Amino acid sequence: EPEVTQTPSHQVTQMGQEVILRCVPISNHLYFYWYRQILGQKVEFLVSFYNNEISEKSEIFDDQFSVERPDGSNFTLKIRSTKLEDSAMYFCASRDLEIIQETQYFGPGTRLLVL
Amino acid sequence: SQQGEEDPQALSIQEGENATMNCSYKTSINNLQWYRQNSGRGLVHLILIRSNEREKHSGRLRVTLDTSKKSSSLLITASRAADTASYFCATVSYYGNNRLAFGKGNQVVVIP
Repeated sequence: EPEVTQTPSHQVTQMGQEVILRCVPISNHLYFYWYRQILGQKVEFLVSFYNNEISEKSEIFDDQFSVERPDGSNFTLKIRSTKLEDSAMYFCASRDLEIIQETQYFGPGTRLLVL
Repeated sequence: SQQGEEDPQALSIQEGENATMNCSYKTSINNLQWYRQNSGRGLVHLILIRSNEREKHSGRLRVTLDTSKKSSSLLITASRAADTASYFCATVSYYGNNRLAFGKGNQVVVIP
């Protein structure tokens, strides 16, 4: 069964450093998402992406964040200058465009720790 | 903004018993989805119920939706130790955006 994959599974970085989190969505999906979950808290929406542009972003997704689909398979989230409060589990998700507002399939997540 | 919110309870039940969780939300929705998360792991989609549906079944799962009360329930019948996880509801707005708005989650522990 096709699945969303994410790399790395864990990343530790120093405050102020740039990190890139990578995702490979399900191959025939066209809508992509990033969510994050701070330890012990809700899963929060960050951004959605369709047709090579951001379709929606939350208030969390400020200028320090960017997303990119550099090739036909990868979908990346970049944090330019990490802060302590960026420590969280980051989830990528994708869905099939043909069925409106249907199921989003999540990857296993990348646990980011900012020191 | 609309938001799924579970009743803030942790359930501890014996294997074989049923587990029920509730979720409420604030605005009009297109659909409501339930996800499971094992400790420190990813989110696994369980079931989706649309706003024009009242009840849906999938295996041992039964979901109800009451749009007049803006609430949903998830029932897991004949629970197993492997059902031990956190369960989240998430809503998709009626108004066209497709972000998922998650609740806080319910921790369920099934004792063998």
